[in-house]
Amino acid sequence: KQEVTQIPAALSVPEGENLVLNCSFTDSAIYNLQWFRQDPGKGLTSLLLIQSSQREQTSGRLNASLDKSSGRSTLYIAASQPGDSATYLCAVLSNDYKLSFGAGTTVTVRA
Amino acid sequence: DAGVIQSPRHEVTEMGQEVTLRCKPISGHNSLFWYRQTMMRGLELLIYFNNNVPIDDSGMPEDRFSAKMPNASFSTLKIQPSEPRDSAVYFCASSLGADYNSPLHFGNGTRLTVT
Repeated sequence: KQEVTQIPAALSVPEGENLVLNCSFTDSAIYNLQWFRQDPGKGLTSLLLIQSSQREQTSGRLNASLDKSSGRSTLYIAASQPGDSATYLCAVLSNDYKLSFGAGTTVTVRA
Repeated sequence: DAGVIQSPRHEVTEMGQEVTLRCKPISGHNSLFWYRQTMMRGLELLIYFNNNVPIDDSGMPEDRFSAKMPNASFSTLKIQPSEPRDSAVYFCASSLGADYNSPLHFGNGTRLTVT
């Protein structure tokens, strides 16, 4: 069974600092990995999707890397802003087409 | 694009009552997913449909839970009878299921409280 772990569970940084969020998974037989953002009382918003054949994806200030062999992904958010405060979840689609979510990292960016 | 629409946003009911949650996926998406989110267990997949057909319902907790998708634009999740341990946020999500590399789009969820 795929296990997805996100460390740390919570993170607080001053505005302008770069954010580094980690995700690890136990089974490297994956189809893709997605990073989501969840705001309080809202659903999840897909930020980036990295296919298993890719090493990274970029969108604006966001960059996600994938090292499938070591079971790790990292989400980088450059020059953080208070509006980046949210919970970030990673999800792994395994080769049996089951999507497994991590518990998330709650980020607070202090103005 | 209106996104995935769920109703109601909040539901408070008494133990033993029937609860029906509704979902309208994004037009053109042919895969639909029901998830439950709690602090203790995080996000759990309950069931997913592809082209209106249930593909995997192994996450449905017990017979009290049932889900239907009568057409491509509507799905329901029913709990009968409801119990306090069913209290959670229930999310519906959709995607272009023909492409497993299509991202999931979530609704804003239904917060269910069973007293």
